[in-house]
Amino acid sequence: QKEVEQDPGPLSVPEGAIVSLNCTYSNSAFQYFMWYRQYSRKGPELLMYTYSSGNKEDGRFTAQVDKSSKYISLFIRDSQPSDSATYLCAMNYDYKLSFGAGTTVTVRA
Amino acid sequence: DVKVTQSSRYLVKRTGEKVFLECVQDMDHENMFWYRQDPGLGLRLIYFSYDVKMKEKGDIPEGYSVSREKKERFSLILESASTNQTSMYLCASSLPGQGLDYEQYFGPGTRLTVT
Repeated sequence: QKEVEQDPGPLSVPEGAIVSLNCTYSNSAFQYFMWYRQYSRKGPELLMYTYSSGNKEDGRFTAQVDKSSKYISLFIRDSQPSDSATYLCAMNYDYKLSFGAGTTVTVRA
Repeated sequence: DVKVTQSSRYLVKRTGEKVFLECVQDMDHENMFWYRQDPGLGLRLIYFSYDVKMKEKGDIPEGYSVSREKKERFSLILESASTNQTSMYLCASSLPGQGLDYEQYFGPGTRLTVT
């Protein structure tokens, strides 16, 4: 069983829709929970991170962590075509990261 | 701005060839990483280095070796390339420490095809 499970999609939504992405994990030692965004032909870039259970908001993006359920989510409100990318969840307990498979999102204009 | 560069964007090699992938970072980061990225599998750690001449195996080190002679440069070596090593290879670097210090900065990737 993989440490981090993420539905690879793909996900296609119309512009303005809410995008919902999620990951589950098995290792309760994970401390930091991150979302990376990867545009086509580019390396991943950190989008958001959280340390504890709860919500964190940054503009149109909201990250949620539920440590009791070992479940994390990323919501994108008012999605734009520029949000079209692959989103990868990542988690760590040391200086190594464990990544999900990534979900490819396409926002249709 | 952290910059991580990789020597090639696309590479085509033949089975059995020795392949070198080079990565350079300009932010004086102690940690450097090599991943491969395959559809449906995400990023898998091959090797990482936490200091010059120091290295540790990641989750899938078989068939690979690494070299870190200088702090800014981390090389991935495929001793005898095989078709199952066809993949996107990503290099990353980070500071040591806790919290956001763990943010890994990635290069643009090298798409390697072994024929």
